[in-house]
Amino acid sequence: GAVVSQHPSRVICKSGTSVKIECRSLDFQATTMFWYRQFPKQSLMLMATSNEGSKATYEQGVEKDKFLINHASLTLSTLTVTSAHPEDSSFYICSARTSGGQGLTDTQYFGPGTRLTVL
Amino acid sequence: SQKIEQNSEALNIQEGKTATLTCNYTNYSPAYLQWYRQDPGRGPVFLLLIRENEKEKRKERLKVTFDTTLKQSLFHITASQPADSATYLCALDQDSSASKIIFGSGTRLSIRP
Repeated sequence: GAVVSQHPSRVICKSGTSVKIECRSLDFQATTMFWYRQFPKQSLMLMATSNEGSKATYEQGVEKDKFLINHASLTLSTLTVTSAHPEDSSFYICSARTSGGQGLTDTQYFGPGTRLTVL
Repeated sequence: SQKIEQNSEALNIQEGKTATLTCNYTNYSPAYLQWYRQDPGRGPVFLLLIRENEKEKRKERLKVTFDTTLKQSLFHITASQPADSATYLCALDQDSSASKIIFGSGTRLSIRP
């Protein structure tokens, strides 16, 4: 249980283009989903928190117009990096939080991550 | 603001020994603390959660302790194996109402045969 998928796992794009990353909770409904980014040899930094059907809450310093988050259902959230630039190159990881039940601990379960490279 | 520190950036031990990783936090009293494992190029994998009223929790070869007086958690892997080599992240709830967690910088554990 508690499987979270991300697609794509790796993407290379040209500067100025937009990239969409999908995050799905496969076998549970997520009360909340989170988006993180991680630079090499650094820890995860929270970008935003989203609940199904409502606007995402962005962390300080994260541009909401650049990182668009859509939380369409209890099992799907998407992150769109708009007009990507080389400095946006990073490892983007989503997580989904369950409220427990089905033998799952009430905590965040992470996707495998998406490596974004902007040329 | 809350601060979470994992004292060792890297730890290298012999197979079969017990690995002990340390996590310290300041400026906060978290309701619970968690440990995750992260392999290169992968997302973190949840291992254990321990609550403030629990002193110790075990799962197979893993053991976590939580000392709210010292503001410290210890993570032990007994009978360590090369397959245990990974980065281990400590995390605590930043704000229980918002369910956000913050991560330590991680300890890169290497188990040599």
